[in-house]
Amino acid sequence: DAGVIQSPRHEVTEMGQEVTLRCKPISGHDYLFWYRQTMMRGLELLIYFNNNVPIDDSGMPEDRFSAKMPNASFSTLKIQPSEPRDSAVYFCASRLLYNEQFFGPGTRLTVL
Amino acid sequence: GEDVEQSLFLSVREGDSSVINCTYTDSSSTYLYWYKQEPGAGLQLLTYIFSNMDMKQDQRLTVLLNKKDKHLSLRIADTQTGDSAIYFCAEGNQAGTALIFGKGTTLSVSS
Repeated sequence: DAGVIQSPRHEVTEMGQEVTLRCKPISGHDYLFWYRQTMMRGLELLIYFNNNVPIDDSGMPEDRFSAKMPNASFSTLKIQPSEPRDSAVYFCASRLLYNEQFFGPGTRLTVL
Repeated sequence: GEDVEQSLFLSVREGDSSVINCTYTDSSSTYLYWYKQEPGAGLQLLTYIFSNMDMKQDQRLTVLLNKKDKHLSLRIADTQTGDSAIYFCAEGNQAGTALIFGKGTTLSVSS
């Protein structure tokens, strides 16, 4: 298996633009997590899904952030409109039931 | 609320042992994890320990858990330059869903 796949790896955009981050979890995994990593706040859980259903989105910072998982092999995290303070590395991770979380390589987002 | 605390930096010389410490607050945590993050990469699970254990050894890695004090440590024996990375402590509950991560300890190994 190729592991968790994220795209793009790097994204540079201007304030106010819409940003869409993509994730393909490991086949067969039933949990998917989105995290954000910054120097100031460390690694924060934004939202997670179980069997494509959002379970806990309490970490989503504002209504500008939304996440979807239309099927078991794909998820998106959207920021609209983006702001400079959204600049961070966004990680997707997937897991099978009680086993370890496997992380993707991350998307480095820079909002100018 | 739940919180995981780690020191931010540790610097050691090649060949020495490294000890990275972590404290957590959730006494119901069932699993405690150590993840490693190399530059430009995602987190990779190094090892984990069940809360009913007090020690786990895996090659150069030794995990010690003091459940009474809610203290977890990771010891790396014979530290190598390739061990330079950020190490994250994380706690998880029995459902094993969301993990709470510390801010990470940057380990710097000099030759």
